[in-house]
Amino acid sequence: EVQLVETGGGLIQPGGSLRLSCAASGFTVSSNYMSWVRQAPGKGLEWVSVIYSGGSTYYADSVKGRFTISRDNSKNTLYLQMNSLRAEDTAVYYCARDGNFDIWGQGTMVTVSS
Amino acid sequence: DIVMTQTPLSSPVTLGQPASISCRSSQSLVHSDGNTYLSWLQQRPGQPPRLLIYKISNRFSGVPDRFSGSGAGTDFTLKISRVEAEDVGVYYCMQATQFPRTFGGGTKVEIK
Repeated sequence: EVQLVETGGGLIQPGGSLRLSCAASGFTVSSNYMSWVRQAPGKGLEWVSVIYSGGSTYYADSVKGRFTISRDNSKNTLYLQMNSLRAEDTAVYYCARDGNFDIWGQGTMVTVSS
Repeated sequence: DIVMTQTPLSSPVTLGQPASISCRSSQSLVHSDGNTYLSWLQQRPGQPPRLLIYKISNRFSGVPDRFSGSGAGTDFTLKISRVEAEDVGVYYCMQATQFPRTFGGGTKVEIK
C-alpha cells in the first residue's frame, strides 16, 4: 500500500527545535520530489519545503534559514528539522509527494507555545 | 509568487445539484515542459487533503466521475455534477508549476 506516515509533532516552546519524520511505503522517496505542507488551525494550506530526487532543496520565505528538509534513503524517510520555532509555526504538518500531490500523510501537529 | 484566487469562498448546495468552483492564477501555469501543474484537492472535516484532479482535468484514481476539471492558462474550474453528502468539505486549487507552490484560499462546500 502506498502511504506516508508523519511523526514527531508535539508541544514546544518558542525558540525550540523539533524534527518531523515522514515514513513512506509503497514507493521510493529518493526517486520522487517530496514536499512538506502545513496548515495552521482553521486556516488554509501553506507549502513549506521540497526536496528533489537529485537532492536540491527549496523553502518558503517564512521558514528559510530555520527549517531544513532532508531524507534517509536507507529508511525511505523524509525529515523536516525545525529550529528557532515561533508561535506562527503552529500547524498540522503534512508530507506529500510533490508534482501532482497525489499522496499525503495524515499530518502531525506542532504547537509552539510557552 | 503565483497568487491563486478561488471563488466563491462558500458554496451551499442542494443534494443532487451541481456545484462549480473557480480558480484564477496571477500568471500562466504552463510549465516549460508543456504541462500545466494545476491540481484540485478535497479536504473533508478532520482529514488530510486528498487529490481529486491533476494537470487541470485528469481525475485521480478512485475519484468519482461526478468531479471534473477544466481550464487553461490562468483560469480553471472544478465542477461537481451532482453533489452528494460525502462531498462536504473544503476544496483547494494549487499550482506546482513554480516555487513556491501556492494554494487557493479554499472553497467550503456545504449542504443547504
